[in-house]
Amino acid sequence: DAGVIQSPRHEVTEMGQEVTLRCKPISGHNSLFWYRQTMMRGLELLIYFNNNVPIDDSGMPEDRFSAKMPNASFSTLKIQPSEPRDSAVYFCASSRSAGGWDTQYFGPGTRLTVL
Amino acid sequence: DQQVKQNSPSLSVQEGRISILNCDYTNSMFDYFLWYKKYPAEGPTFLISISSIKDKNEDGRFTVFLNKSAKHLSLHIVPSQPGDSAVYFCAASGAGGGSQGNLIFGKGTKLSVKP
Repeated sequence: DAGVIQSPRHEVTEMGQEVTLRCKPISGHNSLFWYRQTMMRGLELLIYFNNNVPIDDSGMPEDRFSAKMPNASFSTLKIQPSEPRDSAVYFCASSRSAGGWDTQYFGPGTRLTVL
Repeated sequence: DQQVKQNSPSLSVQEGRISILNCDYTNSMFDYFLWYKKYPAEGPTFLISISSIKDKNEDGRFTVFLNKSAKHLSLHIVPSQPGDSAVYFCAASGAGGGSQGNLIFGKGTKLSVKP
């Protein structure tokens, strides 16, 4: 059974370019989470969806970041325009429900480098 | 302001000995705690959890202890094995869904188990 799938695994781009990260959650999971991991801030939640609806986007750094979930099997995180400080590893995770007790399954992450 | 703190960035232990990883939290509303393990170039994977109504949960070589009065939890690995070498994240959440269900992660402790 496939786990959470993320693409690309690595992305190198130049400042000012648009970046789109993709995620396919585990089939049957109703909640999807986007996290960012940096040395300074650790692993922080950016946004999460429940039944394709954004529930909490308070972790999204600023308007340059946007996320969508057009259907139950696909989500995107877009950064436009990208900046060097956006360089980080971005993880997508999914779970059966949005409750904190429900195990979240993480994808392998996308390592983003903005030059 | 970190709500979940892992004050030891790294820990080195001899194979066969006990590994003790510590975690402190500040929010008394947290009622569910989890440990995740992360290998390089992979996403975090769920290891073990504990509800605030318990003070201990055991799963094979892994035991999590919770001291609510001290707002402290610890993960014990006995005996430690080289394959346990990874970064361990402590996470906490409040009750229910919505924002309270969000996982708040510590910055992680890198465990090295030497043969």
